[in-house]
Amino acid sequence: EAQVTQNPRYLITVTGKKLTVTCSQNMNHEYMSWYRQDPGLGLRQIYYSMNVEVTDKGDVPEGYKVSRKEKRNFPLILESPSPNQTSLYFCASRTSGVHQPQHFGDGTRLSIL
Amino acid sequence: AQTVTQSQPEMSVQEAETVTLSCTYDTSESNYYLFWYKQPPSRQMILVIRQEAYKQQNATENRFSVNFQKAAKSFSLKISDSQLGDTAMYFCAFMKPRPGGSEKLVFGKGTKLTVNP
Repeated sequence: EAQVTQNPRYLITVTGKKLTVTCSQNMNHEYMSWYRQDPGLGLRQIYYSMNVEVTDKGDVPEGYKVSRKEKRNFPLILESPSPNQTSLYFCASRTSGVHQPQHFGDGTRLSIL
Repeated sequence: AQTVTQSQPEMSVQEAETVTLSCTYDTSESNYYLFWYKQPPSRQMILVIRQEAYKQQNATENRFSVNFQKAAKSFSLKISDSQLGDTAMYFCAFMKPRPGGSEKLVFGKGTKLTVNP
């Protein structure tokens, strides 16, 4: 089954404790992206990657890192999480071709205390 | 920068009736793509329908259709014969082609739709 898998689905942690949210897709997609969703703000792009070893900032990259060492994986790293990063996070992927829709993971609810 | 505006934070409709969700966007581009995504309580983001700006014909997917008015920069979603399972947050999104495939989705803030029995 074609899917984008995020882990964990839920995480409660404390300020300053490094964490990683994993994202994996099994569709051989070139393009992957991370979004955060906050009430009243919709989804905003954090980082994206057009292929292995090619990443770039989205609209709200501060406080986040990403890597793309393999085509299927695109982890989101919070080196020193802060309470303002409490949010719902989505990973998405799509194949090349602008008309192709993005496939979303099921989301990760992060709470930073 | 492109912006997407959904002016209705919440809406409700009776089961089996028709409802229209509004979306306007701001762009100076002539070639772009528009999408409606559905987010049910399960939090999944599900693509409902998409429209290419160069196509004049409005997209349709079963009970879902759009009214795309390019000159007015309007992209409304009509849901016919509403079902309880249509209860969800609906997001309108815009995508502009960029060189190298670096396109991103720009989302509106969403409209929460409740279908009442």
